[in-house]
Amino acid sequence: DTGVSQNPRHKITKRGQNVTFRCDPISEHNRLYWYRQTLGQGPEFLTYFQNEAQLEKSRLLSDRFSAERPKGSFSTLEIQRTEQGDSAMYLCASSNRQGIMNTEAFFGQGTRLTVV
Amino acid sequence: AQSVTQLDSHVSVSEGTPVLLRCNYSSSYSPSLFWYVQHPNKGLQLLLKYTSAATLVKGINGFEAEFKKSETSFHLTKPSAHMSDAAEYFCVVRMGEFTGGTSYGKLTFGQGTILTVHP
Repeated sequence: DTGVSQNPRHKITKRGQNVTFRCDPISEHNRLYWYRQTLGQGPEFLTYFQNEAQLEKSRLLSDRFSAERPKGSFSTLEIQRTEQGDSAMYLCASSNRQGIMNTEAFFGQGTRLTVV
Repeated sequence: AQSVTQLDSHVSVSEGTPVLLRCNYSSSYSPSLFWYVQHPNKGLQLLLKYTSAATLVKGINGFEAEFKKSETSFHLTKPSAHMSDAAEYFCVVRMGEFTGGTSYGKLTFGQGTILTVHP
């Protein structure tokens, strides 16, 4: 396992269509995060999973967004009825909790979404 | 609540001269602090991290940062810039390890500093 993998790397979609992204974290990592990065900005937190449980969702995550991590391994992020404002880089990261300590987060290369 | 302010959106240096990228943080708890680098079309890579051990932290590629609690700063430095250092750098804060709640592990990023290195 060489790191966090995200697919697809690029996605162009028409406004109103649904899209789904996949993230495969580092295999032994029990924590998974989704972030969104728009041009000229730092990544912003969207949601967080510990194993299969979604423990936190940002207010940035509107009702059109849904994320799952059904077996505590890979995760999917779905955007329904895409809007032009959804165009961004979607980043996935994973880390591991060992006792009370948390390792650093490792990031995937991201999925760049363009809504036309 | 936690936040990060990177004081310069762009820094330009000549190759071989020192680099200073400034970062101030705000955190209600004892924070962990990180610097990540993002090269074009590549993922975020961890440069270094502070997690309440030594206040002077050494990272990869000759970078280091000093945690100054009294100044709430975590500036990134390198004695001599290389062309390959040109990239965007993010200062990141994570809520303290010993706090509870669901924000445990969530990262808060600064706006980023674009470093340009001239020959």
